[in-house]
Amino acid sequence: DAGITQSPRHKVTETGTPVTLRCHQTENHRYMYWYRQDPGHGLRLIHYSYGVKDTDKGEVSDGYSVSRSKTEDFLLTLESATSSQTSVYFCAISDKGGNYGYTFGSGTRLTVV
Amino acid sequence: GESVGLHLPTLSVQEGDNSIINCAYSNSASDYFIWYKQESGKGPQFIIDIRSNMDKRQGQRVTVLLNKTVKHLSLQIAATQPGDSAVYFCAENAGGGADGLTFGKGTHLIIQP
Repeated sequence: DAGITQSPRHKVTETGTPVTLRCHQTENHRYMYWYRQDPGHGLRLIHYSYGVKDTDKGEVSDGYSVSRSKTEDFLLTLESATSSQTSVYFCAISDKGGNYGYTFGSGTRLTVV
Repeated sequence: GESVGLHLPTLSVQEGDNSIINCAYSNSASDYFIWYKQESGKGPQFIIDIRSNMDKRQGQRVTVLLNKTVKHLSLQIAATQPGDSAVYFCAENAGGGADGLTFGKGTHLIIQP
C-alpha cells in the first residue's frame, strides 16, 4: 500500500530465535499499530504507538515487544519465537488514531518451526 | 467474546446481484465504524466509514447502514462484480482511544458467475 511498507514479506524461523519485523511509513502519521491475523480470530492488536518512543500494549502483547525511535519506523520483536506466533502480521498507520480509518501494509507471513 | 462480529462467515452471490454483509456490535460507546475489504494475500483496504450521527452513507457502488437501536451495521454492494470477491471486515472505534479499532472476524464474499 502506498506510504507503508512491511519487511520482510515472508519469514521462516526456528523456535526460540529472535525475530524483528519492520514497518516503515512515509506519511508522517502519528499512530502506528501491529496486528496479527489468524483464522477464526480476525485482526488482533499486539502493540501500538502514539508517537516517537510512546507505545502501549494491545490485547495480545505477551511475547512481543516494540520500538519506535523515529516517526517512520515501528519495529515488532519476538524475543524468542514460539509456534503459537506463526501468523500473518499487519502494520497499520493513522494520523488521528481510532476516530479515522487506518491504512494497512501488505503483511508479513511468519512461520515458526 | 468480541464486541464486533458478523452473522455469516461466507456469503455467495450471483454476479450482478446486490450483496449485503451484516455486522453486529455490542459497544454502545462506539461512534465510528468502518468497512474494510481484504483480498487474498493483501492487507485490508478501506472501503467506507460512517459516524454515529448518521444512519446511512453512500460511496461508489457501496452503502453502509447503521442502526444504533439494535447495534447493527451493514454493507451493501450494488451490482456485485468478480473483483468484489474478498473478505469484508467491519470495525468499530469503541470510544475512539489511541488503541483504536476493534475488528470483526470477517465475511468471505464469493461471486458466482
